[in-house]
Amino acid sequence: ILNVEQSPQSLHVQEGDSTNFTCSFPSSNFYALHWYRWETAKSPEALFVMTLNGDEKKKGRISATLNTKEGYSYLYIKGSQPEDSATYLCALEYNFNKFYFGSGTKLNVKP
Amino acid sequence: DTGVSQDPRHKITKRGQNVTFRCDPISEHNRLYWYRQTLGQGPEFLTYFQNEAQLEKSRLLSDRFSAERPKGSFSTLEIQRTEQGDSAMYLCASGKQSSYNEQFFGPGTRLTVL
Repeated sequence: ILNVEQSPQSLHVQEGDSTNFTCSFPSSNFYALHWYRWETAKSPEALFVMTLNGDEKKKGRISATLNTKEGYSYLYIKGSQPEDSATYLCALEYNFNKFYFGSGTKLNVKP
Repeated sequence: DTGVSQDPRHKITKRGQNVTFRCDPISEHNRLYWYRQTLGQGPEFLTYFQNEAQLEKSRLLSDRFSAERPKGSFSTLEIQRTEQGDSAMYLCASGKQSSYNEQFFGPGTRLTVL
């Protein structure tokens, strides 16, 4: 079982603040790293899939980077809004069919 | 709505009872995954189907757990002789065989074993 760690466990920010979270992993020998956003009472929603060292992906105010050599990925949210409140999960994909998830970062954005 | 549905959304059962959950993936997706998520943890992989073939099973999946995908479409997850430790959210996800193995998750079934 691979240990994927996410930090912080939870985060409280004010509307308009920018924030970032970390996903750390011990190995670079994986196929892809995935970020998901999971709002309460809804399904987890895919945000990004990254495969190469140095990958950067962006979707609106949310962006992510991947550093496979040092074993981390960052997720950034610029100008947080209350609707960004959710749990953000990262997962490592091995062998096209096995995913190891972190425990998530729970973000709460106060209006 | 991702297009993946799960039924039921909530299940409360007594210890020792059997329960069965259903997952309906997106119709053209040939890959289907089951996960279990407990409080404060991320989803843990349970099993994976490609079409109707069960290709991977986690060691977490004890003999009391069985999953099927008989026609390569919907899938069921059965837990026999439930224990309190089985209380969790059971998530299903589906995906297409492609370069980027994006998963589309259902809303989950919340199981409470009394």
